[in-house]
Amino acid sequence: DQQVKQNSPSLSVQEGRISILNCDYTNSMFDYFLWYKKYPAEGPTFLISISSIKDKNEDGRFTVFLNKSAKHLSLHIVPSQPGDSAVYFCAASRQNSGGSNYKLTFGKGTLLTVNP
Amino acid sequence: DTGVSQDPRHKITKRGQNVTFRCDPISEHNRLYWYRQTLGQGPEFLTYFQNEAQLEKSRLLSDRFSAERPKGSFSTLEIQRTEQGDSAMYLCASSVLAEHSGANVLTFGAGSRLTVL
Repeated sequence: DQQVKQNSPSLSVQEGRISILNCDYTNSMFDYFLWYKKYPAEGPTFLISISSIKDKNEDGRFTVFLNKSAKHLSLHIVPSQPGDSAVYFCAASRQNSGGSNYKLTFGKGTLLTVNP
Repeated sequence: DTGVSQDPRHKITKRGQNVTFRCDPISEHNRLYWYRQTLGQGPEFLTYFQNEAQLEKSRLLSDRFSAERPKGSFSTLEIQRTEQGDSAMYLCASSVLAEHSGANVLTFGAGSRLTVL
């Protein structure tokens, strides 16, 4: 059961334009959402997160939007740069019975290509 | 700090052999995770340690898999009697339990790629 879904395997945009990466989830108990970026031969690196009580979080060129009623979030990258070309993973976590978040559940990822 | 280190980076083995991967987490991180990633998939959770205690194991972790974290520092993941279906990238990550609630940000290593012939 895929609880975190990234339905677009790939996305191609021109340098300077906006990249929008989408993610849907099914588990309403998720309370944190994170985006990771992965270059070939490297591990995923953390980009940005958002709490389920927020609808937007911004960090420089990266903004994550959360629509809790639709169980949908998106990552906006503006302006896109060739160095942003990578696989982007959406991940989610929820509190365990002890009240702490620990495990992340990942989507399958979206390959972003930013063309010069 | 050099981040999360994994060794070896790549292991090629024959079916039926045993393999062991090592992970050295960020020193002040008390939480350690193993994930597996296959082609076209996202990382899949395998197991989680808080200090030296293994607190959760995924159903993906068959009896041929065992993970340890002696003394709450480095961790090893051993796969016995490897099968071709075990071929994957094995990722280790660590994090620190935050004093206040917040996103649990995992820091990943570069991974250990296993190829079973």
